[in-house]
Amino acid sequence: DGGITQSPKYLFRKEGQNVTLSCEQNLNHDAMYWYRQDPGQGLRLIYYSQIVNDFQKGDIAEGYSVSREKKESFPLTVTSAQKNPTAFYLCASSSPGLAGGQTGELFFGEGSRLTVL
Amino acid sequence: RKEVEQDPGPFNVPEGATVAFNCTYSNSASQSFFWYRQDCRKEPKLLMSVYSSGNEDGRFTAQLNRASQYISLLIRDSKLSDSATYLCVATYTNAGKSTFGDGTTLTVKP
Repeated sequence: DGGITQSPKYLFRKEGQNVTLSCEQNLNHDAMYWYRQDPGQGLRLIYYSQIVNDFQKGDIAEGYSVSREKKESFPLTVTSAQKNPTAFYLCASSSPGLAGGQTGELFFGEGSRLTVL
Repeated sequence: RKEVEQDPGPFNVPEGATVAFNCTYSNSASQSFFWYRQDCRKEPKLLMSVYSSGNEDGRFTAQLNRASQYISLLIRDSKLSDSATYLCVATYTNAGKSTFGDGTTLTVKP
């Protein structure tokens, strides 16, 4: 089955530790995204990548880092510089849009819940 | 002002009711629009794309008004299983970015 796999599903971190969230897709999509969701709020864009070896900051990139060495993989590192990292993190990829560019329908993984102790 | 704004809700309606959600977007360069459904503690899933001509999928009708920068979702004959949060999304394809509203929560009661 094609889809997006995120791991781990639940993660606990002590303050001051870096953690890396995994995101793998087998949909052959060029574009991948990381979003953060806090309770009662919508999704906010952290980083996105439209092609391998290239990525851009989203609206809330501070305290996060990413890499895109392979088309299938887009890991997110939550660094100790992120002051309030407890949240629900969602990885997505997108099919080509109406204009032939990226960002048509977004396909999401099941998410990773990070809690800082 | 947020780039995509939705009715905050919550909407509590009886089964069989018709309910409408509204959404406005501020980036006139937005090119594609969607409604996603998100169940509690789950990932969002595409409900429907939104086109200027309007589109219907069973009990769901979505409408886009580019002049007013307004998107709507109408749910007819509400079912208990429609209870969820509905997210409005505007995308700027050239920049490869999608912007989400904060969502509108719907509870359908027996």
